[in-house]
Amino acid sequence: GQNIDQPTEMTATEGAIVQINCTYQTSGFNGLFWYQQHAGEAPTFLSYNVLDGLEEKGRFSSFLSRSKGYSYLLLKELQMKDSASYLCAVVDSNYQLIWGAGTKLIIKP
Amino acid sequence: ETGVTQTPRHLVMGMTNKKSLKCEQHLGHNAMYWYKQSAKKPLELMFVYNFKEQTENNSVPSRFSPECPNSSHLFLHLHTLQPEDSALYLCASSQDVGSYYEQYFGPGTRLTVT
Repeated sequence: GQNIDQPTEMTATEGAIVQINCTYQTSGFNGLFWYQQHAGEAPTFLSYNVLDGLEEKGRFSSFLSRSKGYSYLLLKELQMKDSASYLCAVVDSNYQLIWGAGTKLIIKP
Repeated sequence: ETGVTQTPRHLVMGMTNKKSLKCEQHLGHNAMYWYKQSAKKPLELMFVYNFKEQTENNSVPSRFSPECPNSSHLFLHLHTLQPEDSALYLCASSQDVGSYYEQYFGPGTRLTVT
């Protein structure tokens, strides 16, 4: 079967750095997405990785290792508004998105 | 104005009712999707439409019936639902179906079946 694993919940302090991990086992791989979803709102696109390595976009970076079936989202200089759920999703060999259950990130002052 | 709108935002219905959810995208996209989001569970893809044609139907019960009259509008018709169908129903669109096209989501309809 296909599986995406993410921690259910994480807590971090304002101004700090947090890394949210995602491991996957899918039938094929055609890219990995990270989305942010604030409570009661729509998911919004953060990043897309299809090649190994680190993609940096402001305070957010996303890393991919295809050989390890592993990705992480790195958030720097955390702000209270970063409190949200972070969803990892993998595109499989049929070009279908397989979603993780999401990681709820709680930022404390 | 948000690119993808959904109405209603909240819906409470009995198991014998018939209702419809509406989604509209203003982005000129060709693909539209219906998802079900339950608490602490992964997003479940229900239906995919590309150029108004249904391309995916992930074993969704027949009490959910999609309709896509054009590339900008998508409906989900509901009838004789069960309490376990209570969830957030999200609509999304993308430029096309494919691996690298990000999806744009609407705010969702919070459905409660009593």
